[in-house]
Amino acid sequence: EIVLTQSPGTLSLSPGERATLSCRASQIVSRSSLAWYQQKPGQAPRLLIYGASSRATGIPDRFSGSGSGADFTLTISRLEPEDFAVYFCQQYGSTPSTFGQGTKLEIK
Amino acid sequence: QVQLQESGPGLVKPSETLSLTCTVSGGSITSYYWSWIRQPPGKGLEWIGYIYYSGNTNYNPSLKSRVTISVDTSKNQFSLKLTSVTAADTAVYYCVRHLGYCSATGCSSWFDPWGQGTLVTVSS
Repeated sequence: EIVLTQSPGTLSLSPGERATLSCRASQIVSRSSLAWYQQKPGQAPRLLIYGASSRATGIPDRFSGSGSGADFTLTISRLEPEDFAVYFCQQYGSTPSTFGQGTKLEIK
Repeated sequence: QVQLQESGPGLVKPSETLSLTCTVSGGSITSYYWSWIRQPPGKGLEWIGYIYYSGNTNYNPSLKSRVTISVDTSKNQFSLKLTSVTAADTAVYYCVRHLGYCSATGCSSWFDPWGQGTLVTVSS
């Protein structure tokens, strides 16, 4: 199965700053089949990005995804207070679908 | 707007069977593929398996020997059974809808929406 490694494990930034989160796969992820989710404490994950770069319905345009092959990035252009959460990537190009271990985005 | 709600016991004894049900509202269960995903406390996410209304299933090889997912279209529900549980099965269990592409041979899909999740603790 494909192992996804997210970095950094924790990212400390201030509101208004730019956040760059990385997701690296152990093999090529076919057809850029990668999604990103946001999870806040006590809540279910929320879909942000699919197909590596397509924003889900209702997701603000400060969230953007990029990458292909085995390297993918989630960028939050200007952090809002509600963006501090844990972010997971998921590959669905091969079975079983797998998730990264998460990046915690915390307020500096 | 489709919504999902998990239900079932929050405490299961070791070696017994974990049983959960997901109720789908706001849409027909026959229109999509559906999965179970779990998250141990403080850890990452693990896909367990999926089902289609026809009964077609696919399971994570790591759990395949212990998992059964079934569907009840008359109730717009699908269910999870996990046998011979241990403390390692303690987790929040989510039911989710597949979006993207699924066929009888597999899915290439992301998940949205998610149920709120239910914590199942395995302990005597």
